[in-house]
Amino acid sequence: KAGVTQTPRYLIKTRGQQVTLSCSPISGHRSVSWYQQTPGQGLQFLFEYFSETQRNKGNFPGRFSGRQFSNSRSEMNVSTLELGDSALYLCASRPWTGVSYEQYFGPGTRLTVT
Amino acid sequence: KNEVEQSPQNLTAQEGEFITINCSYSVGISALHWLQQHPGGGIVSLFMLSSGKKKHGRLIATINIQEKHSSLHITASHPRDSAVYICAPWGDYGGSQGNLIFGKGTKLSVKP
Repeated sequence: KAGVTQTPRYLIKTRGQQVTLSCSPISGHRSVSWYQQTPGQGLQFLFEYFSETQRNKGNFPGRFSGRQFSNSRSEMNVSTLELGDSALYLCASRPWTGVSYEQYFGPGTRLTVT
Repeated sequence: KNEVEQSPQNLTAQEGEFITINCSYSVGISALHWLQQHPGGGIVSLFMLSSGKKKHGRLIATINIQEKHSSLHITASHPRDSAVYICAPWGDYGGSQGNLIFGKGTKLSVKP
């Protein structure tokens, strides 16, 4: 099976712009979670989608949003970019939601905001 | 206070040494993941455990739910084990589905 893929892998944006990142989960996986990783804060949970519904959300401002499509592919959007949004954004998929299922991580999208 | 504390933050070892990384957490959890992140950024889930002990090759993970503590051991360490190891408990919060919360990671460097 192909692993989790994320596009693009690298992105440079300017403050105030918006950005959309894409995540394709492993075939058959219905849950997709998004994480932000920065040197200062480490890894932080953004949100999880399951069957096109947001199941849980981390402590991030409303500028961060996401969605999931019927084929389980997911996108996250950050509007009005700030310098502090520069980070590695990771998505992870698993077959179902809930604690019992291991997560499989994508390679990440490295976003730089200038 | 961080909800998840890892120690040590940095660890340098000689090839062949036995390595232990510790993780303590303050929240109630259902399970705990150990993750490995190589310099390129990709993360691999090494273990998911909710009790006792698991072993994969040279890696062993243990957890004591009552004491809120987990350890990751690497036997006969090798330079290819050099990576950041991250402890990630699964916290259940107020009826929500729960999510992973993360330690800051332990950067391991194994010298030949």
